[in-house]
Amino acid sequence: GAVVSQHPSRVICKSGTSVKIECRSLDFQATTMFWYRQFPKQSLMLMATSNEGSKATYEQGVEKDKFLINHASLTLSTLTVTSAHPEDSSFYICSAYSHGGYTEAFFGQGTRLTVV
Amino acid sequence: DQQVKQNSPSLSVQEGRISILNCDYTNSMFDYFLWYKKYPAEGPTFLISISSIKDKNEDGRFTVFLNKSAKHLSLHIVPSQPGDSAVYFCAAQASNTGKLIFGQGTTLQVKP
Repeated sequence: GAVVSQHPSRVICKSGTSVKIECRSLDFQATTMFWYRQFPKQSLMLMATSNEGSKATYEQGVEKDKFLINHASLTLSTLTVTSAHPEDSSFYICSAYSHGGYTEAFFGQGTRLTVV
Repeated sequence: DQQVKQNSPSLSVQEGRISILNCDYTNSMFDYFLWYKKYPAEGPTFLISISSIKDKNEDGRFTVFLNKSAKHLSLHIVPSQPGDSAVYFCAAQASNTGKLIFGQGTTLQVKP
């Protein structure tokens, strides 16, 4: 199946710093990617839709200035957590669909962010 | 407002028996449903999906049933294997947006 790669798999950063997470589609082009986060023992929550060549669209309650999304190419979307705080510690996951449809989302491995 | 609900946080089944995981939804606009398997600290892995125009889809040991009138879907795994032990999420999508709304997950344990 299609492969979505996410990097890094885990990162620890100091409070107040920024962290960039990359999401790449390895064998297909994705004009749209999606970013989710998961708190411990909770569901995956959609944060935003990343659109290649245009601004991301954010779900209600998600701060766009805090979670900067850039989708500069058809195979790469980045999520930057700016001025991270301990409450931003979470598991961040990206997904993309191959073949131009929305029938099967492929997910990255996820990034465990810990802000200390 | 939890639009997709998995009311059973955990399920334990004996190897070889059937595992039935349930999922309910409230939004009638959902027209595509997916099941994912997830291990800790990993991304979800796609298992099986179903469109709202169908009531059943089968793939090997996995079968998904959809009851639109009840807004309920279920995933049947038979026979269950110890390697099936994981957290299972159902997800729903509306109107070809690509956005997935996930349930809370059900932890399945298959005992040898």
